[in-house]
Amino acid sequence: LAKTTQPISMDSYEGQEVNITCSHNNIATNDYITWYQQFPSQGPRFIIQGYKTKVTNEVASLFIPADRKSSTLSLPRVSLSDTAVYYCLVGSGNTPLVFGKGTRLSVIA
Amino acid sequence: DSGVTQTPKHLITATGQRVTLRCSPRSGDLSVYWYQQSLDQGLQFLIQYYNGEERAKGNILERFSAQQFPDLHSELNLSSLELGDSALYFCASSVERGRNTGELFFGEGSRLTVL
Repeated sequence: LAKTTQPISMDSYEGQEVNITCSHNNIATNDYITWYQQFPSQGPRFIIQGYKTKVTNEVASLFIPADRKSSTLSLPRVSLSDTAVYYCLVGSGNTPLVFGKGTRLSVIA
Repeated sequence: DSGVTQTPKHLITATGQRVTLRCSPRSGDLSVYWYQQSLDQGLQFLIQYYNGEERAKGNILERFSAQQFPDLHSELNLSSLELGDSALYFCASSVERGRNTGELFFGEGSRLTVL
């Protein structure tokens, strides 16, 4: 299973763009990169998924360089409600998704 | 609402007891995952079932067992409970589109407290 490394915590002010980078040096050819958000006492919620280059949806963007050994989740103009733990996962249909410790994002007013 | 239903939402029991947690996946999802989350800990993958068959095993204790039934609902059985088993237990389901694991949809969890 590809292991991921993320910062333990990050702080940001409201309205700023937040970039959380995840390292996954041994990502396999078939692996996709997926990010989840989790609020306290709730199940994680899917944010975005990508395989290469850039993916954007209504809440975030995901940047993946050509070597795919890292990825960056970009949250535009964060608000207090974005305070949560963000998990980066890599895997494919043949491997279970293993969550790491995640990155605890604190948004400050 | 993710479409994944977990029962019970809360459960308090004593050490040495046995409990069963139930999960109903989203309609059409064949894959069910179980995760354990202790206080201030990350999500620990326990086990995955796909269409009734065990597909992958994580850090699941021998005291724990699970199964997925023909109607695709799943149960996680926890026996000889210890204080350290107190945690949030999440179930997730996915449809699994070929190579891509697809999106995991999580239930609201079952909070187990062992006294």
